[in-house]
Amino acid sequence: GAGVSQSPSNKVTEKGKDVELRCDPISGHTALYWYRQSLGQGLEFLIYFQGNSAPDKSGLPSDRFSAERTGGSVSTLTIQRTQQEDSAVYLCASSPQQGARGNTIYFGEGSWLTVV
Amino acid sequence: AQTVTQSQPEMSVQEAETVTLSCTYDTSENNYYLFWYKQPPSRQMILVIRQEAYKQQNATENRFSVNFQKAAKSFSLKISDSQLGDTAMYFCAGHKLVFGQGTRLTINP
Repeated sequence: GAGVSQSPSNKVTEKGKDVELRCDPISGHTALYWYRQSLGQGLEFLIYFQGNSAPDKSGLPSDRFSAERTGGSVSTLTIQRTQQEDSAVYLCASSPQQGARGNTIYFGEGSWLTVV
Repeated sequence: AQTVTQSQPEMSVQEAETVTLSCTYDTSENNYYLFWYKQPPSRQMILVIRQEAYKQQNATENRFSVNFQKAAKSFSLKISDSQLGDTAMYFCAGHKLVFGQGTRLTINP
């Protein structure tokens, strides 16, 4: 696609339920990032995928959070047993190579998760 | 550990004025990139400008320029002739894409 696509754009879920958030990166981009942005706050790094390397999971806040990337393309962020503090916008981004090397990373519009 | 600090939570200026957003960072790397991203109300993050640390010349993109002070680990963004469409959250990002907390910039007519 033309840009990074995320779905759903908005999700309301009950506390304790599991949710899956999907990210379709730009075709050919090998690097994929997940960030969390709470209301009015900065971006909190969650996880980073680069090609076939083991993902950098250092930002995942708890074992209720996991992510996978199938076939080096689509990624799914899963939050189990959601809590109210999980309410945030979850942003996905991709870049042609490792973004820290100066390649522009392109963000999706985010998935707004509300846990009630 | 990487840290990026934006000390101005909010700023507001009149249209056509010049505004400077501050950012400081900490890294042990010698070569790295620094970025400024803009997040308008639509929520879509957009790259504004980037700077490679070993380049002494400050990056410029039209009305946007940076003042990069490597020794001081400072990376400020200057917006000249500000426009209403510049209203957004601005995030500084350092090596390994660690982001600052953001500065909410409002351009008033």
